[in-house]
Amino acid sequence: SQKIEQNSEALNIQEGKTATLTCNYTNYSPAYLQWYRQDPGRGPVFLLLIRENEKEKRKERLKVTFDTTLKQSLFHITASQPADSATYLCAGYNNNDMRFGAGTRLTVKP
Amino acid sequence: EAQVTQNPRYLITVTGKKLTVTCSQNMNHEYMSWYRQDPGLGLRQIYYSMNVEVTDKGDVPEGYKVSRKEKRNFPLILESPSPNQTSLYFCASSLKRAGELFFGEGSRLTVL
Repeated sequence: SQKIEQNSEALNIQEGKTATLTCNYTNYSPAYLQWYRQDPGRGPVFLLLIRENEKEKRKERLKVTFDTTLKQSLFHITASQPADSATYLCAGYNNNDMRFGAGTRLTVKP
Repeated sequence: EAQVTQNPRYLITVTGKKLTVTCSQNMNHEYMSWYRQDPGLGLRQIYYSMNVEVTDKGDVPEGYKVSRKEKRNFPLILESPSPNQTSLYFCASSLKRAGELFFGEGSRLTVL
């Protein structure tokens, strides 16, 4: 079946370090990947979109990559801060089908 | 302010009692969608709508109905709720199908 998987349910890192979150897809070829941030009790908020023909996208301290050979997207937060603590969702879109991963809960400790 | 508004935010009901969760967006978006979010399963799409009077099933449509009579509104209807529909529900909209999704704040539904 078509899947978007975020392998780590939770990730704990120290403030100032780079957080790297992974999103893998199987039996699926997304034309776009999107990343969202979700805080407890709130709806997801869009962060970045990357197309299959783009290898990398950046926005301030955020960077996302898209590797169609590995069928993987990596999401990086550099110089992480406690305020970055949240759940991050990966979503893939192809042919009218949008699928979300289960999310990775990131905790940045001071 | 651009937003997606869902109501109610919290609801406890009993099996079989019909309910409607409303969703409204003020961004003139063509695309709207409903998701449910369950622990460990992530967001799963229930129904989506590409435009007025155009709706289609997502991954988990059983037990749900939707309608899109106006561009701004996309209500989710549970004709006969069951306990397995206890979940956190999100409405979302975007300018186009593959674009950035704007989510509502969620509706937490408990069916006893």
